[in-house]
Parts: sequence; C-alpha cells; structure tokens
Amino acid sequence: GNSVTQMEGPVTLSEEAFLTINCTYTATGYPSLFWYVQYPGEGLQLLLKATKADDKGSNKGFEATYRKETTSFHLEKGSVQVSDSAVYFCALRMTGFQKLVFGTGTRLLVSP
Amino acid sequence: KAGVTQTPRYLIKTRGQQVTLSCSPISGHRSVSWYQQTPGQGLQFLFEYFSETQRNKGNFPGRFSGRQFSNSRSEMNVSTLELGDSALYLCASSLEAGNTGELFFGEGSRLTVL
Repeated sequence: GNSVTQMEGPVTLSEEAFLTINCTYTATGYPSLFWYVQYPGEGLQLLLKATKADDKGSNKGFEATYRKETTSFHLEKGSVQVSDSAVYFCALRMTGFQKLVFGTGTRLLVSP
Repeated sequence: KAGVTQTPRYLIKTRGQQVTLSCSPISGHRSVSWYQQTPGQGLQFLFEYFSETQRNKGNFPGRFSGRQFSNSRSEMNVSTLELGDSALYLCASSLEAGNTGELFFGEGSRLTVL
C-alpha cells in the first residue's frame, strides 16, 4: 500500500540553524505530496505542497522538492526560529482521492 | 471566515459508553473527512463524506461510524468505547471531493476513555 516514512525526532536545533527533515514515500502511482505542521494544542496546518515531480513547494521560508527518482520530499529551512518549534508531518494523497496518508511526524525543538 | 469547528473540544468517557463528535466545515465546503491521532498509530484516516455520502472509509472496526447532513455538517460516533479509542479526533473540510482542493483541519476533539 501507500506509505510515508519520516525521520525520527525530536530534532533539536539552535535558532538560525539549518533544518532538514527527511521524508520518503511509497506509492503505486503519482501522488501529491504535502507537509503539515501542528503547533501544541492545535490542529494541522498545511505548510506547503507539490503536485508533480520536480515541483518545489515553499512557504514561510520552508521548501521541499518532489523528487520522483528518489521518492522523496525533504523539508528544509535555511534559518529556523524558536516559533518554528512544532510537529511536522509529511503526507501523500493519490489522484482522485481526498484521503491523506501521513508519516509519523517529526518534532522540532528550536532553542534561543 | 470561520474555520472548521469541532465540538466538544475535550471529553471523558468510560469503557462501554458511546460518544458523538461534531464537525462544522468552513462555509461553502461540501467535503468532510475524519482522522484519528494517537501517539502509537499516528494519524489514521477514518472516513470521507461528500454530499451526505460516504466516499471512502479507513480500516477501523464497525464501532466507528459517521454521517453528513444536508448542511455539510458531519458527526462521527464511536460505540462501546475501548481504552484504545483515547485519541485526538480531527476533522478536515474542503470545497470538493477528490484531491482538487486543500484540506483545512479543525483543532480536534480530544477523547479520553477511562
């Protein structure tokens, strides 16, 4: 079946450090890929998305590129802030379906 | 405009009871889906509804059921509660069915089963 694998957390960084959270997927077709963020006590917010190979999604300084050859969608940010501390979920969605398949989530902790 | 509203936000039940959770989608959104979030299993898809019809269902036992009303509001019900049903239940809405639009999530209903 379709699945998403994320790196284990927590990821602990100092403010202004570079962030990478790895995400790879397995799918029978060509999914759309997403990164969602969950702040404490809140629901999920869409951070960025990419709908086809080589697309780059970006938002709030975060970026991720849809790599079909490596089935990956790694999240990056050049300089993290304390306010970026949250849990980040990688997810896929197959064409024609609304159902999201999520990874296990990666907790990011940024210290001043 | 108002976001996705889920009620109640927190509730405590005991084993064997049943629970009903409600979700009001963003105005104009006709599609609603539900997810269960637990520390052990992560985020798992429960159901998807569009125009009062269930379009897709996740791999959960029959104790989990849902429905959607003509105003697009949705409810999910869990009968004969078990300890393992303790979770954050998230609802998401979108304009249309399928993968044509962004999903907007509510803040969730946190269920504790004692």
